[in-house]
Amino acid sequence: TQLLEQSPQFLSIQEGENLTVYCNSSSVFSSLQWYRQEPGEGPVLLVTVVTGGEVKKLKRLTFQFGDARKDSSLHITAAQPGDTGLYLCAGGPYYVPGNQFYFGTGTSLTVIP
Amino acid sequence: EAGVAQSPRYKIIEKRQSVAFWCNPISGHATLYWYQQILGQGPKLLIQFQNNGVVDDSQLPKDRFSAERLKGVDSTLKIQPAKLEDSAVYLCASSSFQTSGPSYEQYFGPGTRLTVT
Repeated sequence: TQLLEQSPQFLSIQEGENLTVYCNSSSVFSSLQWYRQEPGEGPVLLVTVVTGGEVKKLKRLTFQFGDARKDSSLHITAAQPGDTGLYLCAGGPYYVPGNQFYFGTGTSLTVIP
Repeated sequence: EAGVAQSPRYKIIEKRQSVAFWCNPISGHATLYWYQQILGQGPKLLIQFQNNGVVDDSQLPKDRFSAERLKGVDSTLKIQPAKLEDSAVYLCASSSFQTSGPSYEQYFGPGTRLTVT
């Protein structure tokens, strides 16, 4: 059973288009993180959201944490080829030794020049 | 600041053979993780260390997988014997120690791509 479901699983768009990736769960998380992973590399953290309803912006990327802390979204404006990669959400509890950090199923984004 | 180092980057073995992966975390990071990532999926936690103690190994297939972090710094993950379904990327990550608060940032190494034939 996958704790965090991402949609869509695959996304191929033209340069300049906008897109939204969703991360949903039936569980409540204290925080949600978004990572981007390029081929042959490990995931790199983009942002952490910790407050229900929180919105964070990172240049052309906008991240939102749902009010109930069960879901999150990543919106990219005017996508560029450099945005290509695997986008992963990860839900975490408040840090308690032994608590696991859960990754989503992943969204593979391809931006075509 | 040096990142998380992993070796080898690639490994091809036949089923039933043994293989070992090495990880050196960021200096000073007390927490070390090993993840398994099947192509196109999110990473799955195999084992989490706090210094040289195991915090969580509930998803580690202990009949064939083992991991150690003897001196609380670098770590090795071993598979013996390997199966075809073990083909994946094995990621090591580290983070600094926290006793409470929102989830912490994990820093990942480049991973080891294992192919079992």
